[in-house]
Amino acid sequence: GDSVTQMEGPVTLSEEAFLTINCTYTATGYPSLFWYVQYPGEGLQLLLKATKADDKGSNKGFEATYRKETTSFHLEKGSVQVSDSAVYFCALSDGTGNQFYFGTGTSLTVIP
Amino acid sequence: EAGVAQSPRYKIIEKRQSVAFWCNPISGHATLYWYQQILGQGPKLLIQFQNNGVVDDSQLPKDRFSAERLKGVDSTLKIQPAKLEDSAVYLCASSTNEKLFFGSGTQLSVL
Repeated sequence: GDSVTQMEGPVTLSEEAFLTINCTYTATGYPSLFWYVQYPGEGLQLLLKATKADDKGSNKGFEATYRKETTSFHLEKGSVQVSDSAVYFCALSDGTGNQFYFGTGTSLTVIP
Repeated sequence: EAGVAQSPRYKIIEKRQSVAFWCNPISGHATLYWYQQILGQGPKLLIQFQNNGVVDDSQLPKDRFSAERLKGVDSTLKIQPAKLEDSAVYLCASSTNEKLFFGSGTQLSVL
């Protein structure tokens, strides 16, 4: 069945460092791909999405490109801030928009 | 626009007790989900409703978990009796246009 695998954490970076969180997926159809973020004490929020191959989702300085050839959707940010400290979840929907599958989450801590 | 509302925010019970969680989705969202998020893991779908009908409950432990959405709006999730391994955050979400909106969750501790 459909699934998402993302890199293990936790990740600790200094402020202004470059961030990459890897995510790969397995899907039988044409999924949409998402990154969700969970700040301490809060619920999950949609960070960005991409609905088809080669689409790039972007928000708040974060980017991810839907790569069908490598079945990947890696999250990147050029310069992280302390306020980016959170848990990041890669997810896919099965193309119908109704079924969502989440990765295990990657905890990011940014230190000043 | 109001978000997904959940209550209570925290709940502590002893094993074998019962507990219920409530969710009010965003107005107009037909699809409602209950997820279980165990510490250090991603959300796992328990049950999905489309209006007041169940779309997917394949991962719901039906011997102890039940959920309903009688009027196609609010939903309740019940655990009876609770086990230690049910300790988790229970997230409610609703969706539109392939976007999931989550509530803040109910953190359940079973002692």
